[in-house]
Amino acid sequence: EAAVTQSPRSKVAVTGGKVTLSCHQTNNHDYMYWYRQDTGHGLRLIHYSYVADSTEKGDIPDGYKASRPSQENFSLILELASLSQTAVYFCASSDLGVSNERLFFGHGTKLSVL
Amino acid sequence: GDQVEQSPSALSLHEGTGSALRCNFTTTMRAVQWFRKNSRGSLINLFYLASGTKENGRLKSAFDSKERYSTLHIRDAQLEDSGTYFCAARNNNAGAKLTFGGGTRLTVRP
Repeated sequence: EAAVTQSPRSKVAVTGGKVTLSCHQTNNHDYMYWYRQDTGHGLRLIHYSYVADSTEKGDIPDGYKASRPSQENFSLILELASLSQTAVYFCASSDLGVSNERLFFGHGTKLSVL
Repeated sequence: GDQVEQSPSALSLHEGTGSALRCNFTTTMRAVQWFRKNSRGSLINLFYLASGTKENGRLKSAFDSKERYSTLHIRDAQLEDSGTYFCAARNNNAGAKLTFGGGTRLTVRP
């Protein structure tokens, strides 16, 4: 069964610290995405990638870096975590193909920056 | 684990007509959200429901936790309604866990 796995499930970080969120997919998908959700709101796209070793900026990339070392893995990196980055983060994957917009999501990582 | 089955995966409507998207849940969920994906990839929140129905313009959503489903009705569809819609549900356990449906690609034709 296709799966997108995020780790950790939750994390508490200190302001100014470095945080790395990991995502692993077994869907054999080319596209991977990182979203953040703030309480009661939609999901905003931070970074995405359509091929290994390449990443693209989404709607809100500032303060975040991304890394796609392989097709299966996509990481989100907060070099200097800030209070405003407290949110729930979702990773997703999808097939290559403009017409296919079905996304497969992980279960989310709750990040609290103190 | 929890699953959300969203249907249909694709839907084509003529302008002015309507239809419904549906999400079935394999377990009891305590809340559901409906999103629409914008042109830049972000998912815009349409509805958040813990029960009952909500309406906003030509969209109406319903959520029945006991019967384990939610629907999104679109009436008088317009060309600009075309896009991909997602539901996501939160189970009864505490925490951030959201389970997403696979999405419905809606195409509205003249």
